[in-house]
Amino acid sequence: DQQVKQNSPSLSVQEGRISILNCDYTNSMFDYFLWYKKYPAEGPTFLISISSIKDKNEDGRFTVFLNKSAKHLSLHIVPSQPGDSAVYFCAASSFNFGNEKLTFGTGTRLTIIP
Amino acid sequence: DTEVTQTPKHLVMGMTNKKSLKCEQHMGHRAMYWYKQKAKKPPELMFVYSYEKLSINESVPSRFSPECPNSSLLNLHLHALQPEDSALYLCASSQDMGQGFQPQHFGDGTRLSIL
Repeated sequence: DQQVKQNSPSLSVQEGRISILNCDYTNSMFDYFLWYKKYPAEGPTFLISISSIKDKNEDGRFTVFLNKSAKHLSLHIVPSQPGDSAVYFCAASSFNFGNEKLTFGTGTRLTIIP
Repeated sequence: DTEVTQTPKHLVMGMTNKKSLKCEQHMGHRAMYWYKQKAKKPPELMFVYSYEKLSINESVPSRFSPECPNSSLLNLHLHALQPEDSALYLCASSQDMGQGFQPQHFGDGTRLSIL
């Protein structure tokens, strides 16, 4: 039962343009949503998060949008840079007796074309 | 540079061996996590330690035995593993949740191969 889904396994975007990565979820009890970036041979690096009570959070070139009614979130990167080429994981956070549990999507490989 | 350090980076072991994975953080985080990631799959939670006590075990087989000797260190003891246990094992840590939401910070992982 995949509670967090990223339906696009890969995405190619021209340098300087906007990259949009999408994520869908099924559990309405998630408290926070996060995006992580992963380079080969490295662990996931936290990028940006959004509370379930917000609809937008922005940090520099990265903006995350949350549509709770559609159970959908997206990550916008603008302008895209070659260093943004990586695998991006969407993750959803839930809490159980004060302990956080992250559920990850399957990832989207983003390639920025110079 | 990652602030969560995992050793070794690579490990090859036979099914009868006993080995341990080590994870260390010096950020003062009080929650630490083990994840398993198979190729082309997302990380899957195995264990959560909160204030050095095991708080979540995601029905992991007993051939994986976690240990948290102190607030900075997390070990994963391995014994009698199976070939399907070959994967990337990731450690993560996060701040005390009493200070509001804090994201988990990951190490670079240990790539484990079982012969």
